[in-house]
Amino acid sequence: EVQLVESGGGLLQPGGSLGLSCATSGFTFSRYSMNWVRQAPGKGLEWVSYISTSSTTIYYADSVKGRCTISRDDAKNLLYLQLNSLRDEDTAVYYCARVFYGSASHFDYWGQGALVIVSA
Amino acid sequence: EIVMTQSPGTLSVSPGERATLSCRASQSVRNNIAWYQQKPGQAPRPLIYGASTRATDIPARFSGSGSGTEFTLTISSLQSEDFAVYYCQHYNNWPLTFGGGTKVEI
Repeated sequence: EVQLVESGGGLLQPGGSLGLSCATSGFTFSRYSMNWVRQAPGKGLEWVSYISTSSTTIYYADSVKGRCTISRDDAKNLLYLQLNSLRDEDTAVYYCARVFYGSASHFDYWGQGALVIVSA
Repeated sequence: EIVMTQSPGTLSVSPGERATLSCRASQSVRNNIAWYQQKPGQAPRPLIYGASTRATDIPARFSGSGSGTEFTLTISSLQSEDFAVYYCQHYNNWPLTFGGGTKVEI
């Protein structure tokens, strides 16, 4: 069974840093591209970042570019997201999501999400 | 950036009725679009990809159509478990973007 489990959320201060992990199981992690998607309270979905297999290609949304680092550890089946210089508008549930096939496809599996609240 | 616009924002229907949800892209995304269902407190669930292919275990009452810039998700006969928010997403190029969602309510 494919499973994605995010961790690392919580209450954080503006200007601080966020570190999220996504533990995966039930599939060969190294063969899949991955994404982070976030959802502000009561709002829609916002794609945040993409990482290809072997970390050869990485993309970021403009809203986090320059503040964000996505990475992966294929040996540990883990996906990471680091977000610095946190703003109130970074408050959201952060989901990790697997790309169905290749680099450009839909997201076929999602984690349950990690809530991040940025507030003084 | 391609803007995905969903309409209506809210759709009020009765169980057993047909629901038609629309998604418009600001430029052509060919057939590189997916639809997701999200219920409160849950992660999105993929319904349709490639504009018209049902994802794994999705019932046949869900169907997708369209190409280019105009897309439709149809639920042929609404069941109680279908009341949720539905999002379209393109994956034609970067950045990927989602529509604002359509809430299907009783």
